[in-house]
Order: sequence, then C-alpha cells, then structure tokens
Amino acid sequence: KAGVTQTPRYLIKTRGQQVTLSCSPISGHRSVSWYQQTPGQGLQFLFEYFSETQRNKGNFPGRFSGRQFSNSRSEMNVSTLELGDSALYLCASSLGGLQGGETQYFGPGTRLLVL
Amino acid sequence: DAKTTQPTSMDCAEGRAANLPCNHSTISGNEYVYWYRQIHSQGPQYIIHGLKNNETNEMASLIITEDRKSSTLILPHATLRDTAVYYCIVKGYMDYGQNFVFGPGTRLSVLP
Repeated sequence: KAGVTQTPRYLIKTRGQQVTLSCSPISGHRSVSWYQQTPGQGLQFLFEYFSETQRNKGNFPGRFSGRQFSNSRSEMNVSTLELGDSALYLCASSLGGLQGGETQYFGPGTRLLVL
Repeated sequence: DAKTTQPTSMDCAEGRAANLPCNHSTISGNEYVYWYRQIHSQGPQYIIHGLKNNETNEMASLIITEDRKSSTLILPHATLRDTAVYYCIVKGYMDYGQNFVFGPGTRLSVLP
C-alpha cells in the first residue's frame, strides 16, 4: 500500500501571498489531519477532516483553512502569508474511527519558506 | 499541553538496547500510549502503541507499568539509523476527531 503523499515537497513564497498544500491519504483512510512543525513551537495540530467535514481544529488563526474531497484527499490553504508561517507542514491519515487505539500515519511533509 | 514528560536527550551505544522512558502520571483509563520517531526533517514514523499490556513488534517493545503511569520504549539492538527524536504521546477517545499532542520528545543519539 502506498503511504501518505504530500505535494509539493518544498515551496518558497513571499509575505502576503497565499499557498495551497495537498495531501493524499493511505487508500481506505477517511481521516486527514494537518500539523505544523517549527523549531520554536514544535509539532502543533492544525485541523482534522473526516468525510469532507472539519471534525477538529487546533488553535490557529483563520488564515489557515482546509478542505477534504470525496476521495479523502485534502488540501490546506494559508492566506496572507507571514514570515512566521515558515514551517514543515505535515499531513497524517487514519481510518477515522472515534474509538481509541487508532494509528495516524504521517506523510513526508511540505517545507514552506516565506520570504 | 502534552500529557507526557520525557528526558530531553539520551545516548546509546550501537548494538546495545536503547531504553527510552516516558512519564504519563495523569493518564486515564481509555488513553493509549503511542510512540513515534522523527528522523531529521522527515515525517514522524509510527513505532508502536499500547493500552495496558506490553506490546512488541518488529521495530520495538513497549513496556507499560501496572499503574500505567509510565512506560518504556525498548529498541533491542540500536543502530545508527535509530538516531532520531522519539515522541511519547498519550491519546484516547475524543468526542470529535483525532489529533496527537506532541511534546518536545527525546533526542536519541546512537553512537558507534
């Protein structure tokens, strides 16, 4: 089975621009979660989508948004980029059940640099 | 905030067992203990998880104390490729969605 894939792997943008990142989950997985990793804040949860609906959200401003398509692929968008948005953005997928004990599998990440 | 505490860093000699401790004194009955590792700037890699019983897979063993307030990840024969940041995470059932709360983890250096 193919793992979680993320595109693009690297991206350079300038302040004020917007960016869209893409994530394809493992086949059969219906939940996609997004995380941001920075040297200062570590790995932080952004949001989770399940069946095309945002099911859980972390503490990030509204400039960060996402969506999920009927094939479970997900995109996240960051508008009006700031220097502090430079980070590794990670996507993780899981089956999506609400019982405990489920495992999330992470993709390789997209490294975003904002100049 | 993360519900776990781990040492900031550890060293281990190549070929020896690496024992990584994790304290989770406030763990509740329905919460699992997960271990992930992250090799420099790659996505976190799932290692193992457990609820009460000790668990073993091809990568590692997880030993959970009887009171479940702490656990140890054991890499039986560490290699240089095991050098990474290891995250211990406690996670249970949530009303909505799934997310892991990552702490700073333990930076394991396997030395030749």
